[in-house]
Amino acid sequence: TQLLEQSPQFLSIQEGENLTVYCNSSSVFSSLQWYRQEPGEGPVLLVTVVTGGEVKKLKRLTFQFGDARKDSSLHITAAQPGDTGLYLCAGPLSGTYKYIFGTGTRLKVLA
Amino acid sequence: DAGVIQSPRHEVTEMGQEVTLRCKPISGHDYLFWYRQTMMRGLELLIYFNNNVPIDDSGMPEDRFSAKMPNASFSTLKIQPSEPRDSAVYFCASSYWGGGSSYEQYFGPGTRLTVT
Repeated sequence: TQLLEQSPQFLSIQEGENLTVYCNSSSVFSSLQWYRQEPGEGPVLLVTVVTGGEVKKLKRLTFQFGDARKDSSLHITAAQPGDTGLYLCAGPLSGTYKYIFGTGTRLKVLA
Repeated sequence: DAGVIQSPRHEVTEMGQEVTLRCKPISGHDYLFWYRQTMMRGLELLIYFNNNVPIDDSGMPEDRFSAKMPNASFSTLKIQPSEPRDSAVYFCASSYWGGGSSYEQYFGPGTRLTVT
């Protein structure tokens, strides 16, 4: 069974701090995605990583796909209150068009 | 485009009542997904359609749940009879698969269901 575990589950930091959240699995994924969900809204796709070792940057957010394609990380530099939300990783189940979602990291950035 | 539209945004009902959730996907998208989100279980896929045809309903928890997609612009998720443990936020998402190795899902704002 393919599962995606995220850590930490909760994170509360001060504005300006850096942070990293992780998405781990014992299974290989052909790609992984990161979504951000704000309160009262649906998840919104931030990035898709498809190659082992790939690094993508989106302003202050840096995403990395593990070399073995079993894990991914999201690093935020100089966090801002606007980064507050639930961060979800997602990956396609082998041989299907279904995506499974990770357990999520709930981030709160205090001003 | 207005994005994925869901209605109602909030629904409060009593145990045993029928509940119908509605979704209008983004025009041109060929996949539609229904998810349920709870604090305990996270975001779970219930069922998905391709070109209006149900492909996989293995996530539907019980026979009390049913979903239809009569045309490309409308889908419903029905719970009959509803139970308190069905309380959750239900999301509809749509996507267009262009043949690549991945696709983006566009989520609606969700329907928060409370069954008392």
